[in-house]
Amino acid sequence: GESVGLHLPTLSVQEGDNSIINCAYSNSASDYFIWYKQESGKGPQFIIDIRSNMDKRQGQRVTVLLNKTVKHLSLQIAATQPGDSAVYFCAESYTGTASKLTFGTGTRLQVTL
Amino acid sequence: EAQVTQNPRYLITVTGKKLTVTCSQNMNHEYMSWYRQDPGLGLRQIYYSMNVEVTDKGDVPEGYKVSRKEKRNFPLILESPSPNQTSLYFCASSFRAGAYEQYFGPGTRLTVT
Repeated sequence: GESVGLHLPTLSVQEGDNSIINCAYSNSASDYFIWYKQESGKGPQFIIDIRSNMDKRQGQRVTVLLNKTVKHLSLQIAATQPGDSAVYFCAESYTGTASKLTFGTGTRLQVTL
Repeated sequence: EAQVTQNPRYLITVTGKKLTVTCSQNMNHEYMSWYRQDPGLGLRQIYYSMNVEVTDKGDVPEGYKVSRKEKRNFPLILESPSPNQTSLYFCASSFRAGAYEQYFGPGTRLTVT
């Protein structure tokens, strides 16, 4: 498969446990945030998004938390499964700049059995 | 099936030989964008298009051209490829510019020798 990063931070989690992936963003003016999942050999896949007027948003097995005070974003995955193994990227956007997404460098999630 | 397609998926070429990577989406999206992904650098935007005949530079536009003659297509053109353009390229689209998720294609692995 394609290598998306040779020296990514790696989070190892046992199957069934909860995972928390963190991301620090850089632009205090950013008002839209997305988490993407990228499996080997594939393009980034949307997981969940959140706008800056929210602190928390939940999806199916995933929750995104936004702390604008410290410019921090986190993705929580409940009951982690082997199929969750991938590289996870956060992306920020200031919607006044034509949807330019600025991506973090990613975190590799490894799910152990 | 709603999707973004790219062709070719893999390409090996030589320095200076013009090439085009095609991108097409079937979701009637207004916004389209090209990114390159390099280890340690994450995804960086090359060019984007807000709508037909409207294109603009992203963060790393040097050595690339784009066109948007039809809503569904957004080809990436390398007039004179160089080895530093060896990378993994992704096309993405979204409903429109703003707080909307971007859908990514499967990627094109380009090697320039």
